[in-house]
Amino acid sequence: GQQVMQIPQYQHVQEGEDFTTYCNSSTTLSNIQWYKQRPGGHPVFLIQLVKSGEVKKQKRLTFQFGEAKKNSSLHITATQTTDVGTYFCAGLGYSTLTFGKGTMLLVSP
Amino acid sequence: NAGVTQTPKFRVLKTGQSMTLLCAQDMNHEYMYWYRQDPGMGLRLIHYSVGEGTTAKGEVPDGYNVSRLKKQNFLLGLESAAPSQTSVYFCASSSLSSGGEGEQFFGPGTRLTVL
Repeated sequence: GQQVMQIPQYQHVQEGEDFTTYCNSSTTLSNIQWYKQRPGGHPVFLIQLVKSGEVKKQKRLTFQFGEAKKNSSLHITATQTTDVGTYFCAGLGYSTLTFGKGTMLLVSP
Repeated sequence: NAGVTQTPKFRVLKTGQSMTLLCAQDMNHEYMYWYRQDPGMGLRLIHYSVGEGTTAKGEVPDGYNVSRLKKQNFLLGLESAAPSQTSVYFCASSSLSSGGEGEQFFGPGTRLTVL
């Protein structure tokens, strides 16, 4: 079946440093979605990428979808303590979304 | 709108007991999903439904059953609970207009412990 791998599993940064998480799929994706889950909370949708090579920005967050539609990345510029949480990518293949295991981000002030 | 709600929020079961988790959404979404989340494992799909009266198996369906008798409700049943089913369960829904490819709205989760 479809597999979505996400790295790193965990990252601890100082406030103001940048952060990137990467997502790779074993198959070509129709789209990829990104979610954020705060500690003790539920996943919340951030964005969806559909087109090959697509780049979208949300303030300090930059999302990219690879040319082959098999990989994606989320980059946060100048992290803030409010960025703390686990970031999941989720790829849509033939039927339902497959979630990566997530990257837990810890930001120290 | 309440969005996606889940009942109960917490539950402790003994091995062999049964229970039903209820998910309700007021967004008129066609698609509904049940996930379990375990430490380091991400979100794994248990069962899903693409419409009232239809259900399908996800990645980890064993030991669970589901029903979608009404469009707004999706029930997850554990017939004979096992300690391996200790987890946080999330329900989610999405709209048909996006072909099921749109964003998923998640409920607050149910924390289940099986002793």
